[in-house]
Amino acid sequence: GNSVTQMEGPVTLSEEAFLTINCTYTATGYPSLFWYVQYPGEGLQLLLKATKADDKGSNKGFEATYRKETTSFHLEKGSVQVSDSAVYFCTNSGGSNYKLTFGKGTLLTVNP
Amino acid sequence: GAGVSQSPSNKVTEKGKDVELRCDPISGHTALYWYRQSLGQGLEFLIYFQGNSAPDKSGLPSDRFSAERTGGSVSTLTIQRTQQEDSAVYLCASTSGTGAFGNTIYFGEGSWLTVV
Repeated sequence: GNSVTQMEGPVTLSEEAFLTINCTYTATGYPSLFWYVQYPGEGLQLLLKATKADDKGSNKGFEATYRKETTSFHLEKGSVQVSDSAVYFCTNSGGSNYKLTFGKGTLLTVNP
Repeated sequence: GAGVSQSPSNKVTEKGKDVELRCDPISGHTALYWYRQSLGQGLEFLIYFQGNSAPDKSGLPSDRFSAERTGGSVSTLTIQRTQQEDSAVYLCASTSGTGAFGNTIYFGEGSWLTVV
């Protein structure tokens, strides 16, 4: 079946620290992988995506590389800001071309 | 509208009452989803519409839950005889084409349901 396991939070960092949120997945077929972000009081937004092995998704200084050999899609950012405080969800489309399977989310808090 | 619109944004209901949650997707989006977000549980898929049809309703947790979509646009999620465990945020999402592969899925801000 399809599943996503992501690092449990909460994660608390100081501004300008390096961020890694680990994510591994299981899927039937060839999934697309996504990171979604939910800022306080807002709806879920797509942060970045990768549709095939070795693709790197990037946006707003965040990056994640689709690693088929390790079934991973870890999210990284070199220098976090207070405005990055949010809940981050790792997501895969499994073998489906329409349904997303979400991890449980990781709450990130960045302190000034 | 510019985004996925959901109403009500907050609903408090008494156990045993029925509730209806509404979703207005982005204009022209043929695919529509309902997800449920419970505290500490992440997002749980409920149902997928393509047009007015629901080819995947495998996530509906019980027969108290139903959803329909009319005119290829607005969708209503109905929960009958609500229970306290139904308390959650109900998220609607839409996308063009057939869904997730290569297409961005846009989420509404959710309807926060509390059953007392």
